[in-house]
Amino acid sequence: GESVGLHLPTLSVQEGDNSIINCAYSNSASDYFIWYKQESGKGPQFIIDIRSNMDKRQGQRVTVLLNKTVKHLSLQIAATQPGDSAVYFCAPRRPGGKLIFGQGTELSVKP
Amino acid sequence: DAGVIQSPRHEVTEMGQEVTLRCKLISGHNSLFWYRQTMMRGLELLIYFNNNVPIDDSGMPEDRFSAKMPNASFSTLKIQPSEPRDSAVYFCASSLAGRDNQPQHFGDGTRLSIL
Repeated sequence: GESVGLHLPTLSVQEGDNSIINCAYSNSASDYFIWYKQESGKGPQFIIDIRSNMDKRQGQRVTVLLNKTVKHLSLQIAATQPGDSAVYFCAPRRPGGKLIFGQGTELSVKP
Repeated sequence: DAGVIQSPRHEVTEMGQEVTLRCKLISGHNSLFWYRQTMMRGLELLIYFNNNVPIDDSGMPEDRFSAKMPNASFSTLKIQPSEPRDSAVYFCASSLAGRDNQPQHFGDGTRLSIL
């Protein structure tokens, strides 16, 4: 079956450091990838996306890298802040529109 | 801009009762997704609609669950009769289909507890 995995279920970083959250996916037909952030008591919040014909995309303090050869993507957060503490999900999209969510990585930022 | 709006935010009811969860899409969106989130199973897609038409309901657990879109901006998810194992957070999300690569935007969910 299809799976989305995250290399670390939890990640703890010091405030001001950079964070890297990794994600492996299994379906090579995935054509679009989204990163979501979920804070306690809230729904997943869109952070950044990337199409399969790109290998890097930057947003405000965030960068997503995509390596289709090894079916891996990462989310880099620069100068991590306490407000970045949340669970982060990568969600590859199957052709047809269905997103596949992994278990998530919990990011904890230490002041 | 108003995001996806879900109601109620919390629902506690006894098993056997009917539960109705509601969702208002973002204005202009035409795709609607219902998800369920639990610690054990994570975020699971239950059903999704494009232009009010159900496209994939393979995630709906069983016949006790039903979803409708009575109009283009509103959806309901109904559980009848409810069971304790239905306890979870239910999210809906909307997006703009027909254009490539539009992300889904989620509401803040309904936390459902079946006693």
